Amino acid sequence: DAGVIQSPRHEVTEMGQEVTLRCKPISGHNSLFWYRQTMMRGLELLIYFNNNVPIDDSGMPEDRFSAKMPNASFSTLKIQPSEPRDSAVYFCASSIDYEIYNEQFFGPGTRLTVL
Amino acid sequence: ILNVEQSPQSLHVQEGDSTNFTCSFPSSNFYALHWYRWETAKSPEALFVMTLNGDEKKKGRISATLNTKEGYSYLYIKGSQPEDSATYLCAFARGLNYGGSQGNLIFGKGTKLSVKP
Repeated sequence: DAGVIQSPRHEVTEMGQEVTLRCKPISGHNSLFWYRQTMMRGLELLIYFNNNVPIDDSGMPEDRFSAKMPNASFSTLKIQPSEPRDSAVYFCASSIDYEIYNEQFFGPGTRLTVL
Repeated sequence: ILNVEQSPQSLHVQEGDSTNFTCSFPSSNFYALHWYRWETAKSPEALFVMTLNGDEKKKGRISATLNTKEGYSYLYIKGSQPEDSATYLCAFARGLNYGGSQGNLIFGKGTKLSVKP
């Protein structure tokens, strides 16, 4: 299996622009997690889905952030409009199901820079 | 606010040294504790998932113990090698009163291990 796939790997954009990050989970995994990694706050959960349904989005920082999972093999995280403080590495992870004793498999991350 | 603390923040050892570091988490409503290994420029990889008090897990030269009553887990590396250099993250999952888990992992900030040849 190719593992969790994320694109793009790097994104540089200007403040105010819309940014869309993409994730393809491991085939057969029912749960998908979006995380943000910053120096100050470490790795934080933004939102997670189970069977394509958002279960907990309490980690989404503002209304500028939205996430969708239209099918079992694809999810997007959108920031509109983007701000410099959104600069971070965004990870997507998947697991067999949302039970938290299942290990999560992380993608390579998208490094976002907002100028 | 749930806090997961890891110590030390960073550690420098010589090849062949054995080392250990600590993860502290809330002792109430424990559900699971994860350890991940995160090499620079790569993504975190799961090492262990521990759910029972007294659990001990081992993978090669790396092992972990769990004490849910006092809220800590230790990760041990025996005979460190340069390829062990990475950041080691622990993540805590809280249980809910009616059963099941909260559904999200709360990560510590990691211990960054550097092993010099």
